Amino acid sequence: NAGVTQTPKFRILKIGQSMTLQCTQDMNHNYMYWYRQDPGMGLKLIYYSVGAGITDKGEVPNGYNVSRSTTEDFPLRLELAAPSQTSVYFCASSYGQKQETQYFGPGTRLLVL
Amino acid sequence: AQSVTQLGSHVSVSEGALVLLRCNYSSSVPPYLFWYVQYPNQGLQLLLKYTTGATLVKGINGFEAEFKKSETSFHLTKPSAHMSDAAEYFCAVRLRSGGGADGLTFGKGTHLIIQP
Repeated sequence: NAGVTQTPKFRILKIGQSMTLQCTQDMNHNYMYWYRQDPGMGLKLIYYSVGAGITDKGEVPNGYNVSRSTTEDFPLRLELAAPSQTSVYFCASSYGQKQETQYFGPGTRLLVL
Repeated sequence: AQSVTQLGSHVSVSEGALVLLRCNYSSSVPPYLFWYVQYPNQGLQLLLKYTTGATLVKGINGFEAEFKKSETSFHLTKPSAHMSDAAEYFCAVRLRSGGGADGLTFGKGTHLIIQP
């Protein structure tokens, strides 16, 4: 049981490039989330999903897209990378109800130059 | 909108001393309350949470927190600090009502430093 896995661990992008951050969970959780963490700040929600085929925006969705074709996977897409997207990105999952624990992946560190 | 305030971006204590990390929330209805810990270059791990029932909640690694509705607080404590407790600690909340999953609202975090 690997929990929540994320790839890559670290990536450098040039301005305007695109990339996909991968997230997979093996706990059969319906709910999945993407957060970003900036230095000295807490995590902010980018997008979330309540099940395959269903996604919704969080607090900071601009510049990102998501899809959820399976229960296990929830990739995050950056279409035109900007320096403001330099951050650490965390994927998380939970069974669903609001009081349930969210389980976090190890994070992807992204640097946009 | 809900918000979470963690007093002190850095807290330094001596090994063996009491750890107290403060968290206050702002919402008219008490939310679900969580404390997460983040070790360097790792993801977040749940320490404890309050959902309902007893207001004193015990978590992993000897930590506990008390929900105080009158003070809108959920402070984290540990009687005796250990060097391995050095990490970043995040308080987070989630509204009880409203549709949709949304997500957690996090405080800015408190960096706990343990002095030998």
